[in-house]
Amino acid sequence: EDQVTQSPEALRLQEGESSSLNCSYTVSGLRGLFWYRQDPGKGPEFLFTLYSAGEEKEKERLKATLTKKESFLHITAPKPEDSATYLCAVRLNYGGSQGNLIFGKGTKLSVKP
Amino acid sequence: DSGVTQTPKHLITATGQRVTLRCSPRSGDLSVYWYQQSLDQGLQFLIQYYNGEERAKGNILERFSAQQFPDLHSELNLSSLELGDSALYFCASSVQGQETQYFGPGTRLLVL
Repeated sequence: EDQVTQSPEALRLQEGESSSLNCSYTVSGLRGLFWYRQDPGKGPEFLFTLYSAGEEKEKERLKATLTKKESFLHITAPKPEDSATYLCAVRLNYGGSQGNLIFGKGTKLSVKP
Repeated sequence: DSGVTQTPKHLITATGQRVTLRCSPRSGDLSVYWYQQSLDQGLQFLIQYYNGEERAKGNILERFSAQQFPDLHSELNLSSLELGDSALYFCASSVQGQETQYFGPGTRLLVL
């Protein structure tokens, strides 16, 4: 069964304390791994897409990496405004125009000043 | 702002009732997706439409249906509502079906 697991479920950091979020996946054919940020009561906001093992993407204090079995979202020197739930999702190799995502349950990040 | 719009923002209704949620995709996007987010299940894919045609189906209940109109906006119809249908419903859109999906702000449904 195709599955996406995120850990930890929740993470509390002090401002400036770097850490990593994990997304492991068991899927039959990967056609993209996505990271989103979600604030309470809001829609997911797109952060990164990764397609192949070894790929890395960066945006401000965030860096996403991908291996054959998992992805990491590294947060360097986080600030309170980075507090949110971070969602990982995979798109499977269906081909054509079919493109639904399978989401993990997310990691809730809290950054204290 | 992702460019995807959803109405209404909030909806409160009673069990057994029927509601319609509306979504307008980003300009130029042909694919529309519907997702349900509840506290215990996370984001679950319901259904995808591409240029007016159903393209993929997830764990969508038979009481739920959707359609995409010629102007590419989409509606999700939920009928015979139950307490367990209370959730956030999100619409997302992408250019075709293999690119990044951009999410709308969601509709919060509360069934009493």
